[in-house]
Amino acid sequence: GENVEQHPSTLSVQEGDSAVIKCTYSDSASNYFPWYKQELGKRPQLIIDIRSNVGEKKDQRIAVTLNKTAKHFSLHITETQPEDSAVYFCAASGDTNAGKSTFGDGTTLTVKP
Amino acid sequence: GAGVSQSPRYKVAKRGQDVALRCDPISGHVSLFWYQQALGQGPEFLTYFQNEAQLDKSGLPSDRFFAERPEGSVSTLKIQRTQQEDSAVYLCASSLETGGFGYTFGSGTRLTVV
Repeated sequence: GENVEQHPSTLSVQEGDSAVIKCTYSDSASNYFPWYKQELGKRPQLIIDIRSNVGEKKDQRIAVTLNKTAKHFSLHITETQPEDSAVYFCAASGDTNAGKSTFGDGTTLTVKP
Repeated sequence: GAGVSQSPRYKVAKRGQDVALRCDPISGHVSLFWYQQALGQGPEFLTYFQNEAQLDKSGLPSDRFFAERPEGSVSTLKIQRTQQEDSAVYLCASSLETGGFGYTFGSGTRLTVV
């Protein structure tokens, strides 16, 4: 089955700096890669996603890049703000999995004011 | 409703007790998923429904776990004879599309087995 690895497990940045979180996946049939933000005690919320037919997608300060050949994808947050502090999860799924997503173990991002 | 609603929000069960967790998805969402999230980890897939059909239950950890969605809307996850290792947050998610695109998660049920 699919295996998703996420790095780093913790990340601390100064307000205004950029943050990058990386994930690798094992199943070449995976074709959908969402990112979720989870604040303490709250639900995971979808912040951006990318499908395998594109290499990059951007939404304001957030971007995701995908390298299908290397089977890795990354989340980039620019101009970080304290409210970006949360746990971020990457995930991968594909048509063969019929909807099942495999999640990484999460990255705890702390943005220091 | 406006979002995915789960109840109860918290559940404390004595070991050996049966529990039932409810998920009310966004109206019209075809796909419904249950995930288990242990402390400090990512959600782990349990089962997937497309309307009332349970298409994948490969993640259910044992035959003590059972899920249903009889009318293609509300779903119930039942755990029989709860064990301490069942303690986790149980997340429900729904999606308008078939497959795993664009989940909206509920707030989860935190189950503690004592």
